[in-house]
Amino acid sequence: DAGVTQSPTHLIKTRGQQVTLRCSPKSGHDTVSWYQQALGQGPQFIFQYYEEEERQRGNFPDRFSGHQFPNYSSELNVNALLLGDSALYLCASSWSDRGAGELFFGEGSRLTVL
Amino acid sequence: AQTVTQSQPEMSVQEAETVTLSCTYDTSESNYYLFWYKQPPSRQMILVIRQEAYKQQNATENRFSVNFQKAAKSFSLKISDSQLGDTAMYFCASDDNYGQNFVFGPGTRLSVLP
Repeated sequence: DAGVTQSPTHLIKTRGQQVTLRCSPKSGHDTVSWYQQALGQGPQFIFQYYEEEERQRGNFPDRFSGHQFPNYSSELNVNALLLGDSALYLCASSWSDRGAGELFFGEGSRLTVL
Repeated sequence: AQTVTQSQPEMSVQEAETVTLSCTYDTSESNYYLFWYKQPPSRQMILVIRQEAYKQQNATENRFSVNFQKAAKSFSLKISDSQLGDTAMYFCASDDNYGQNFVFGPGTRLSVLP
């Protein structure tokens, strides 16, 4: 049973560029959440997708956008990259029918903005 | 809005000893869930233990147990018989009853010393 998979694992971009990160949820999960984890800090909630709609959003600017596909996989897009966007981006999946159930995390995509 | 605070940025413990990590939270929800997640170095985040707020009995998972004080909004994690593999960042987190508002604390870096 495959867990949550994310790609790419590492990437380097320059200021002003755009980036797309991808996530495949754990088998059987229908909800995908994205988190930004700066070095030495706890994950910060970006947004959550369910039924291909953004269901909840954290305090992040519109430069951060996402998408969920019919197979429940998801993408996180960040436009006009800033140095402060350098972080580990974590994808987590869960099963909506479980309410506040356990989140299963991927290993993350480490983004460096130069 | 929910908030989670961890006042111990770093802790260390000798192998086989017991250590307690502290967490306080604030929420306006009448029912909610609390979690401890572990993030080993360069590895993905995994769930350690979960507590449902309406349950008075403290959760236990093998060497891991919690002390849940609802009135004080405190949720500490006790690790007994510490092992080298327990070395990791530990994050306290809370969620509402609908799995839509997962909030993490800043984390405690635990080092288990041989």
